[in-house]
Amino acid sequence: ELKVEQNPLFLSMQEGKNYTIYCNYSTTSDRLYWYRQDPGKSLESLFVLLSNGAVKQEGRLMASLDTKARLSTLHITAAVHDLSATYFCAVSAFNDYKLSFGAGTTVTVRA
Amino acid sequence: ETGVTQTPRHLVMGMTNKKSLKCEQHLGHNAMYWYKQSAKKPLELMFVYNFKEQTENNSVPSRFSPECPNSSHLFLHLHTLQPEDSALYLCASSGGQGGYGYTFGSGTRLTVV
Repeated sequence: ELKVEQNPLFLSMQEGKNYTIYCNYSTTSDRLYWYRQDPGKSLESLFVLLSNGAVKQEGRLMASLDTKARLSTLHITAAVHDLSATYFCAVSAFNDYKLSFGAGTTVTVRA
Repeated sequence: ETGVTQTPRHLVMGMTNKKSLKCEQHLGHNAMYWYKQSAKKPLELMFVYNFKEQTENNSVPSRFSPECPNSSHLFLHLHTLQPEDSALYLCASSGGQGGYGYTFGSGTRLTVV
């Protein structure tokens, strides 16, 4: 069974500072996804990472993938209040269309 | 509009009621999923359908009954629910083999009274 572990589960950020969320997974995979969920809302796709060394950036968020280490990181640069949300990573094993989700990291950005 | 539409957005039902949640996607996806998200808990996968066939049932109580008449539509029939079934129910779809992740619907916020 594919296991996906995120840490930290809760992250209190100070505006303007940089932070990283980590996503480890237990088996070989070639696809990793990051989603954002605002309170009471659905999940919105942020990034799709499809190969070792892949890096994607959107605004203050940057995601990277190291398939050899089975690790993805979501880096937040100069946090702002609008980034307060829960962030999920999800992974699919080779030749499997189903995703396994991490538990989510709830981010709160304070002034 | 995400491409996956869920109705209703909110539902309040008594424990003796019968209701249905509906999910519709026009993305040409082959696989559809039901997830339950309770407060402060991880996403729980309930059911998976691929090409209309149920491929996964994660020990979901029989008071939840899924139906997938075609690859574009997915229902979740509810009957004699319990208060602990109150949650956000999310539908998702994906492109099946090699598909690039899930597209989620907006969810149905269910309250059982």
